[in-house]
Amino acid sequence: NAGVTQTPKFQVLKTGQSMTLQCAQDMNHNSMYWYRQDPGMGLRLIYYSASEGTTDKGEVPNGYNVSRLNKREFSLRLESAAPSQTSVYFCASSEQREGYEQYFGPGTRLTVT
Amino acid sequence: QKEVEQDPGPLSVPEGAIVSLNCTYSNSAFQYFMWYRQYSRKGPELLMYTYSSGNKEDGRFTAQVDKSSKYISLFIRDSQPSDSATYLCAVWPSGAGSYQLTFGKGTKLSVIP
Repeated sequence: NAGVTQTPKFQVLKTGQSMTLQCAQDMNHNSMYWYRQDPGMGLRLIYYSASEGTTDKGEVPNGYNVSRLNKREFSLRLESAAPSQTSVYFCASSEQREGYEQYFGPGTRLTVT
Repeated sequence: QKEVEQDPGPLSVPEGAIVSLNCTYSNSAFQYFMWYRQYSRKGPELLMYTYSSGNKEDGRFTAQVDKSSKYISLFIRDSQPSDSATYLCAVWPSGAGSYQLTFGKGTKLSVIP
């Protein structure tokens, strides 16, 4: 039981490049989330998927897109990376829509130069 | 005003000390109050949560909520070097359509042997 896994662990992009961050959970959870964590800003919600087939914007969605591929997988795409998107990205999942009990992945450290 | 305010520290204490970590929140609609612990370069993990007001104890950890003053506290007794981490408070509103967990910025704690 791996919990929440994220790939890649580290990534360096040039401004304007695109990439997809992958997330998968093996806990049969219904809801999944993408956060970014920046020094002095805390954890901020980018997008979430309350259930398979639905996605909604969080606090900071600009510059990102998401896909809930199936119940297990939730990907985050940066279409044209900008230096302001340098951050640590965390994926999380929760069993219920009332997702106060969230399980986090190990994170992806992204640097955009 | 941010919905959740948390002193970022850092906080440094000697081993065996009692640690008090605190947050304030602004929205009286919040009903669930969580503490997440995040070790360096890891994802957050749920430490404990309380619903509405009152205390909850789990081993050396006690979570306390005072809804009248909108104050959330986490007490750690007999602190250990393994407690060194960043502690994030988080809140969750009750009711339909409430899908967003709101985090404080985190307090970095160091327990010195």
